[in-house]
Amino acid sequence: EPEVTQTPSHQVTQMGQEVILRCVPISNHLYFYWYRQILGQKVEFLVSFYNNEISEKSEIFDDQFSVERPDGSNFTLKIRSTKLEDSAMYFCASSEQGFGTQYFGPGTRLLVL
Amino acid sequence: KQEVTQIPAALSVPEGENLVLNCSFTDSAIYNLQWFRQDPGKGLTSLLLIQSSQREQTSGRLNASLDKSSGRSTLYIAASQPGDSATYLCAVGLIQGAQKLVFGQGTRLTINP
Repeated sequence: EPEVTQTPSHQVTQMGQEVILRCVPISNHLYFYWYRQILGQKVEFLVSFYNNEISEKSEIFDDQFSVERPDGSNFTLKIRSTKLEDSAMYFCASSEQGFGTQYFGPGTRLLVL
Repeated sequence: KQEVTQIPAALSVPEGENLVLNCSFTDSAIYNLQWFRQDPGKGLTSLLLIQSSQREQTSGRLNASLDKSSGRSTLYIAASQPGDSATYLCAVGLIQGAQKLVFGQGTRLTINP
């Protein structure tokens, strides 16, 4: 069964460093999303992406964040200068239709020291 | 602003029991509602998607209902098994813009053998 994959599974970085989180959505899906979950808190929407552009972004998704689909299979989230409060589990999701079922990847646990 | 609440926060029942998990949302202007399962430290597994025009959806031992006008959804699990132990999340899909999901805090379910 097709699934969303994410790499790395864990990443530890120093405050101020740049990180890139990678995702491979399900191959025939056209809509892509990033969410995050700070330990003990709700899953929060970050950004949605369709047709090579951002469809919507949350207040969390400030200028330190960017997304890209560099090729036909990968979808990346970049955090330019990480802060301690960026420590969280980051989930990538994809859907075939804009209002269809979203399928989530296993997540990348990011720890900023 | 849409708020999603899940009650109870935790539930422990003996194996074999039927149980109901509750989800409420403050704004009935939703496109759909999705139930997920999250195992500790893992990603989200989609269980059921209910469109706003639907009243219920069934998958195996799971049945989800939606009452949009009252802002409520329930997930019914029949004949519970220890393998059902996980955190169950509900998320509403908003109408405006690209579909972003707004999540509840989840119900942590433990099925005791």
